[in-house]
Amino acid sequence: EAGVAQSPRYKIIEKRQSVAFWCNPISGHATLYWYQQILGQGPKLLIQFQNNGVVDDSQLPKDRFSAERLKGVDSTLKIQPAKLEDSAVYLCASSHWGELFFGEGSRLTVL
Amino acid sequence: GQQLNQSPQSMFIQEGEDVSMNCTSSSIFNTWLWYKQDPGEGPVLLIALYKAGELTSNGRLTAQFGITRKDSFLNISASIPSDVGIYFCAGPRDNYGQNFVFGPGTRLSVLP
Repeated sequence: EAGVAQSPRYKIIEKRQSVAFWCNPISGHATLYWYQQILGQGPKLLIQFQNNGVVDDSQLPKDRFSAERLKGVDSTLKIQPAKLEDSAVYLCASSHWGELFFGEGSRLTVL
Repeated sequence: GQQLNQSPQSMFIQEGEDVSMNCTSSSIFNTWLWYKQDPGEGPVLLIALYKAGELTSNGRLTAQFGITRKDSFLNISASIPSDVGIYFCAGPRDNYGQNFVFGPGTRLSVLP
């Protein structure tokens, strides 16, 4: 069974530029998550989808971050405009029966 | 909101030693998940616990769901160099068990 796929693995941008990350969850997993992991910290939830609906986006900085999962399968996370403090690893995860499975992450560096 | 604390924050051990780490919560959880993260990789699920008092093993790893439901423990026996990494605990912040909060992690270093 294929795992959670994410791209790109690495991205370097300048502040005020935009960036987009893509995630394809494990086949059949209805719940998809985006987490932000700042160096030295645990993952912090940004947004949770159930199929194509948003379950929780209370910690998503909506003035600059957006995410969608239009067909209930793959998802994109966008940051526009990026700030220096957005430098982090963006982890996508999907779940089935209460267990989260993560992708390898997309590492963003904002200069 | 719910917060998880992990201790120790970091530890250095000799190869072959046993390791213990724990995770505590400010509120009751009905699920505990333990993950390991290697540098440059996403977290990998090690053990899932669903019942207070439950003791579950995965090879040299053993995890326990605390009786109070506010803590969990992870033990690694006979550590080897590939055990190096960051260990995270996680628990659901909602009653549906789908919205997970993570602890800050325990960084393990194994000295040869």
